[in-house]
Amino acid sequence: EVQLVESGGGLVQPGRSLRLSCVASGFNFEDYAMHWVRQSPGKGLEWVSGISWNSRSIGYADSVKGRFTISRDNAKNSLYLQMNSLRGEDTALYYCAKDRNNGHGYFGSWGQGTLVTVSS
Amino acid sequence: EIVLTQSPATLSLSPGERATLSCRASQSISTFLAWYQQKPGQAPRLLIYDASNRATGVPARFSGSGSGTDFTLTISSLEPEDFAVYFCQQRSFWPPITFGGGTKVEI
Repeated sequence: EVQLVESGGGLVQPGRSLRLSCVASGFNFEDYAMHWVRQSPGKGLEWVSGISWNSRSIGYADSVKGRFTISRDNAKNSLYLQMNSLRGEDTALYYCAKDRNNGHGYFGSWGQGTLVTVSS
Repeated sequence: EIVLTQSPATLSLSPGERATLSCRASQSISTFLAWYQQKPGQAPRLLIYDASNRATGVPARFSGSGSGTDFTLTISSLEPEDFAVYFCQQRSFWPPITFGGGTKVEI
């Protein structure tokens, strides 16, 4: 069974940084692209970033480009999101999502999310 | 960036009725469209990918159709567990990947 467990969320002041982690199990992590998707309270879904299996292909939403960095460690079955210069509009539940196939661009499995609150 | 517009925002139906949800893209995305279901307090669940392919374990009452800019998710006969929010998502020309604003199917 695929399991994705996010951590690292919390309350942070505007302008500060936070690093999210996602530990994967139940599948060959190194075979799949991975993504971060966020959802503001009571709102819709927003794709944040995606990374290919070998980290050679990476993409970001314009809203986070230059501030967020996605990375992965296949030896640790882990996905990361380094978030710098955080803003109030980054407040959201951040989901780790497994690509349905490698680079397919659909989200076949999701974690339960980690909540990031940006506020002074 | 490709914008996805879902309609209606809310669909009020009864169990056993047919639900028809629409998703329109701002430009052609071929069949690179997925549908997700989200229930309160839960992560989204992939239902349909590439416009018409059911994901593993998805009941046959869910079907998707369309190509280009107009897409439809149909639930042939609503079960009580189908009342939820449904999102469409496109992967054509990504990044970025974009989602529609959602349709809430309520009793």
